[in-house]
Amino acid sequence: EPEVTQTPSHQVTQMGQEVILRCVPISNHLYFYWYRQILGQKVEFLVSFYNNEISEKSEIFDDQFSVERPDGSNFTLKIRSTKLEDSAMYFCASSELVLGADTQYFGPGTRLTVL
Amino acid sequence: AQSVTQLGSHVSVSEGALVLLRCNYSSSVPPYLFWYVQYPNQGLQLLLKYTTGATLVKGINGFEAEFKKSETSFHLTKPSAHMSDAAEYFCAVSDPLGNTGKLIFGQGTTLQVKP
Repeated sequence: EPEVTQTPSHQVTQMGQEVILRCVPISNHLYFYWYRQILGQKVEFLVSFYNNEISEKSEIFDDQFSVERPDGSNFTLKIRSTKLEDSAMYFCASSELVLGADTQYFGPGTRLTVL
Repeated sequence: AQSVTQLGSHVSVSEGALVLLRCNYSSSVPPYLFWYVQYPNQGLQLLLKYTTGATLVKGINGFEAEFKKSETSFHLTKPSAHMSDAAEYFCAVSDPLGNTGKLIFGQGTTLQVKP
């Protein structure tokens, strides 16, 4: 069964450093998402992406964050200058359609630790 | 604005007992409703969803949920718990009028199954 993959599974970085989290969505999916979960808190929506454009972003997704689909398979989340509060599990998801009823398929997550 | 509340961050049941995980939502229009499960070190997996039609929805692994508009609830049940059901469960909503697919999650409920 097709699945969403994410690399790395765990990333440790120093405050102020740039990190890039990578995701490979399911191949025929057109809509991509990033969510994050700070330890002990809710899973929070960050951004949705379609046709090489951001469809919606949350207030968390400030100028320090960016997303890109650099080729036909990868979808990346970049944090330019990490802060301690960026430490969280980051989940990538993809869906075939963008309709609210469509199922989003999630990857296993990347645990980001900012020291 | 939409929101989701899951009552009980931890639920413990005995193997073979009824599982009941509670989810209430707040939304100006009836939303689409989802239950996801997360096993350790894995991504979120869709258990079931309600979009339109029959309000009792059956999902994978013997789980079901009932949409009750009057109670703004979408509680998840399973008649008989198995040890393998131990996991974290997330209720989520999306806006049927939206076009970005954003999911809004509850806080999650950890289900413990005792032998």
